[in-house]
Amino acid sequence: AQSVTQLDSQVPVFEEAPVELRCNYSSSVSVYLFWYVQYPNQGLQLLLKYLSGSTLVKGINGFEAEFNKSQTSFHLRKPSVHISDTAEYFCAVSGGTSYGKLTFGQGTILTVHP
Amino acid sequence: GAVVSQHPSRVICKSGTSVKIECRSLDFQATTMFWYRQFPKQSLMLMATSNEGSKATYEQGVEKDKFLINHASLTLSTLTVTSAHPEDSSFYICSARDLRGEETQYFGPGTRLLVL
Repeated sequence: AQSVTQLDSQVPVFEEAPVELRCNYSSSVSVYLFWYVQYPNQGLQLLLKYLSGSTLVKGINGFEAEFNKSQTSFHLRKPSVHISDTAEYFCAVSGGTSYGKLTFGQGTILTVHP
Repeated sequence: GAVVSQHPSRVICKSGTSVKIECRSLDFQATTMFWYRQFPKQSLMLMATSNEGSKATYEQGVEKDKFLINHASLTLSTLTVTSAHPEDSSFYICSARDLRGEETQYFGPGTRLLVL
């Protein structure tokens, strides 16, 4: 079975500061990793994904994430956040025996203060 | 590209009635669609996997007779909440996987269901 842990339920940060949202996963097989963003009362928008290849992946809105197999982590980073980045962020994993099913973390609410 | 729509966006119904939610992939074909529900301040929980032309696969604890899923075409899946009760009130979100097999799910905007 796969699981995803997002270590921080809430992350407050000031505008233009850097941010890191942490994600750790557990799986006995190779996985695919994703970060999604959800704005209030909306569905999920794909930020970025790791399927294979380079462990540093770049996504939309200036976000990037690094896949670290030895630490089973896939932390999301942005060097300078904007007010508009305020949202909830979900890390998810698929692959192995899950046949494409996504397992989500608990979510991290990022709040950017002026 | 990779746009998924849901209809309706929100629905209010009386207890005991049935509600149908549609999920469409607008610019790609999807052999597999997924249905999730999300309670306030919680993560998404997978309810079922919908495969075109075959029966849906339900997650443990999800009543298949209550949540009827039909995946009639490569671009449309429907979720019907039968005999809805207040505890079924939730945010229902669908996602679709591209037929070409890319390991990525694209999500719809969600449907807010309120059962009175």
